[in-house]
Amino acid sequence: DAKTTQPNSMESNEEEPVHLPCNHSTISGTDYIHWYRQLPSQGPEYVIHGLTSNVNNRMASLAIAEDRKSSTLILHRATLRDAAVYYCILLNTNAGKSTFGDGTTLTVKP
Amino acid sequence: DGGITQSPKYLFRKEGQNVTLSCEQNLNHDAMYWYRQDPGQGLRLIYYSQIVNDFQKGDIAEGYSVSREKKESFPLTVTSAQKNPTAFYLCASRRTGGYTGELFFGEGSRLTVL
Repeated sequence: DAKTTQPNSMESNEEEPVHLPCNHSTISGTDYIHWYRQLPSQGPEYVIHGLTSNVNNRMASLAIAEDRKSSTLILHRATLRDAAVYYCILLNTNAGKSTFGDGTTLTVKP
Repeated sequence: DGGITQSPKYLFRKEGQNVTLSCEQNLNHDAMYWYRQDPGQGLRLIYYSQIVNDFQKGDIAEGYSVSREKKESFPLTVTSAQKNPTAFYLCASRRTGGYTGELFFGEGSRLTVL
């Protein structure tokens, strides 16, 4: 199963944009790029996903490299509630094994 | 409301006892997953099932067992063979076939072995 690599931690100031990177150099053509975030003692929640094109939703934007070997989650204006662990994972259309890495811990400073 | 329900939320057990964690979903999803999370760590896959009466080992299946007799239910048993069972356990589900959609997670079960 394809793996993802993320920085262990990142910091941001409140109301500033945040760019969270993810590398997935072994991605296959049928892998979707998904992002989830997790607050302490809670289950992860879905943030956004994409296949080839950049995506926007009410929570965030996802920028996908042309070769699909990397992607960036963009939070346009970070708030204190965005402080969480963010996971980038690859989910295949065959719904097989879904493996998480250690994610990026985002700290938002007031 | 559709979703995933895990129970119990907190569980305390003595060393050497088997424990079963419940996971029920009413999302009509075929695929279900169990993850384990230790403090400060990411999620590690224990078992997953893509269809009723079938399941596969994940990365850390030793000391755990599962069953999938109904589409809605995927219970996890933590056996006495699991050497360090104290952890936060998360159940998830997703669709299969075509575009499979995102993972939906339960709120988790925190197991403490005394």
